[in-house]
Amino acid sequence: DIQMTQSPSSVSASVGDRVTITCRASQGIADWLAWYQQKPGKAPKLLISVASTLQSGVPSRFSGSGSGTEFTLTISNLQPEDFATYYCQQANRFPLTFGGGTKVELK
Amino acid sequence: EVQLVESGGGLVQPGGSLRLSCTASGFTFSSYSMKWVRQAPGKGLEWISYISGSSGTIHYADSVRGRFSISRDNVKNSLDLQMNSLRDEDTAVYYCARDHYDLPYYMDVWGKGTTVTVSS
Repeated sequence: DIQMTQSPSSVSASVGDRVTITCRASQGIADWLAWYQQKPGKAPKLLISVASTLQSGVPSRFSGSGSGTEFTLTISNLQPEDFATYYCQQANRFPLTFGGGTKVELK
Repeated sequence: EVQLVESGGGLVQPGGSLRLSCTASGFTFSSYSMKWVRQAPGKGLEWISYISGSSGTIHYADSVRGRFSISRDNVKNSLDLQMNSLRDEDTAVYYCARDHYDLPYYMDVWGKGTTVTVSS
């Protein structure tokens, strides 16, 4: 199975900050990576597919990069509605696996 | 409006069974692969099962293989998850999710989830 490791597990930030989350795959997955945002009590929301493709309606302050085994999600100019937990997911092969999540909290 | 609505969750004793359903609307259900993903209380996301649009391809996570069974009815626009031999560790919110049409294995539409509690 492909293990997905996210870091940090939590980050404290202020409105307007730039936040970077890292996701590492235990083996190469090319660019078959998704990022999801989840708010408390809500279902996850797909933000980014194929490592860097922003889904329709997702603000441009979100960006993704990486390939192979290392990926990043960057949130520029953090907004109040961005405080949430973010998950990466490899879409390369079954079993599909998620990272452990990164909680972005208000400092 | 594209929508997925789960139902069937509840309290069940260890060793018991439960059948979850997910009703789809607003899109051509048969054209999309579907998945079940769960989230234990306070924990992360865990993919548990996948079914292709035609039901020709099915996958399970090791944690549920042999106990859970996924199926779909493209006439009724419904997705089911039959859960048998339930364990305490199956306690979770269960989400059904739709695969992105052009990008397999990316989940672009999710239901709100249904809660399963396994406890004596």
